[in-house]
Amino acid sequence: AQSVSQHNHHVILSEAASLELGCNYSYGGTVNLFWYVQYPGQHLQLLLKYFSGDPLVKGIKGFEAEFIKSKFSFNLRKPSVQWSDTAEYFCAVNLPRGTASKLTFGTGTRLQVTL
Amino acid sequence: GAVVSQHPSWVICKSGTSVKIECRSLDFQATTMFWYRQFPKQSLMLMATSNEGSKATYEQGVEKDKFLINHASLTLSTLTVTSAHPEDSSFYICSATTSGRRNEQFFGPGTRLTVL
Repeated sequence: AQSVSQHNHHVILSEAASLELGCNYSYGGTVNLFWYVQYPGQHLQLLLKYFSGDPLVKGIKGFEAEFIKSKFSFNLRKPSVQWSDTAEYFCAVNLPRGTASKLTFGTGTRLQVTL
Repeated sequence: GAVVSQHPSWVICKSGTSVKIECRSLDFQATTMFWYRQFPKQSLMLMATSNEGSKATYEQGVEKDKFLINHASLTLSTLTVTSAHPEDSSFYICSATTSGRRNEQFFGPGTRLTVL
């Protein structure tokens, strides 16, 4: 079974700082990769996803992630964070298949952006 | 598009009672729905997967007699927590997929259950 690791549990940044959140997965085959964000008191929203093709994926709100197959990684980045980016970020993976594939989530990273 | 709703958004009940949570896909037909549980400051843990018209598939360690899942239509799935106890207090989240986008899940806003 696949698993997902997010090594940064709590990150505190000042506004305008650059962000990189780590995500590693363990599975030897082809995977789909996702980053979700959960703002305080709100539901999960999809930031970006990777299925195939260009390993550099751009998502909403200025976020991007790079899939590095050799490192089994899918790190999330943003050049300049804003206070409104304060949220919980989850990396997730599933397997491409004909029927709906269940997601495996990482433990999440809490991002706190200070003014 | 691809909006998922949950009802109620929060519920408080007494120990021993049963609670039903509804998950609806508002603008698409959900071939598969998933139920997750999220403890405070923790990740989402998949409880079960349900396909319309068939029995749910439960993850290891999840009691199927305690967490009854019904997926009677392509737009509605329900989770019933039977004989709830304080340890069942949690945030329950559903998600849904559609046949055209099988590998992407659309999440509901969640239901906060508090058992007294």
